[in-house]
Amino acid sequence: GQNIDQPTEMTATEGAIVQINCTYQTSGFNGLFWYQQHAGEAPTFLSYNVLDGLEEKGRFSSFLSRSKGYSYLLLKELQMKDSASYLCAVRDSRDDKIIFGKGTRLHILP
Amino acid sequence: NAGVMQNPRHLVRRRGQEARLRCSPMKGHSHVYWYRQLPEEGLKFMVYLQKENIIDESGMPKERFSAEFPKEGPSILRIQQVVRGDSAAYFCASSPDRVSGNTIYFGEGSWLTVV
Repeated sequence: GQNIDQPTEMTATEGAIVQINCTYQTSGFNGLFWYQQHAGEAPTFLSYNVLDGLEEKGRFSSFLSRSKGYSYLLLKELQMKDSASYLCAVRDSRDDKIIFGKGTRLHILP
Repeated sequence: NAGVMQNPRHLVRRRGQEARLRCSPMKGHSHVYWYRQLPEEGLKFMVYLQKENIIDESGMPKERFSAEFPKEGPSILRIQQVVRGDSAAYFCASSPDRVSGNTIYFGEGSWLTVV
């Protein structure tokens, strides 16, 4: 089976940096995704990691360590609009099913 | 609009009625996922389909729920005899295929309210 853990809530200050961690256990691994979801809206794609290392995309970066079953999403120069839920998801290599964690609600303070 | 299209966006049903939610994937995408999201909770996997084939339905409740993705037309998630606990947002996502799709793209969601 699969299990994905991420903190329920985090708070950070505008202009700062925040790291959202995600740990997973899965029988077969074929990629890890991060999505952003504002309340009442659809999730939007942020990043995809399938190999170990850091993927940087503007203010957002995502890191993966397959041996540790660990990923993080790093958000720099936080803006008020970054207040949202951040969803970690893992693709199972056996059937391509994509399973989501419960999400981390990020609150940005001015 | 080349994105994933879902309709209706909002649906109100009385207990015992049927709800039909439709999803048209992005152009060129042959795989569809359905997820359910309760308020303040994460996305719960329901079913994964390709045209005319259910790949994985392990997240679907055994009764009242069914899904299809016909050769022509949208994917449909059908909920029979709805109950209050079915009230949720239902998101559809699509991907190109099992091999090359490195992400899935979500539709805007269908919000079902059972009264």
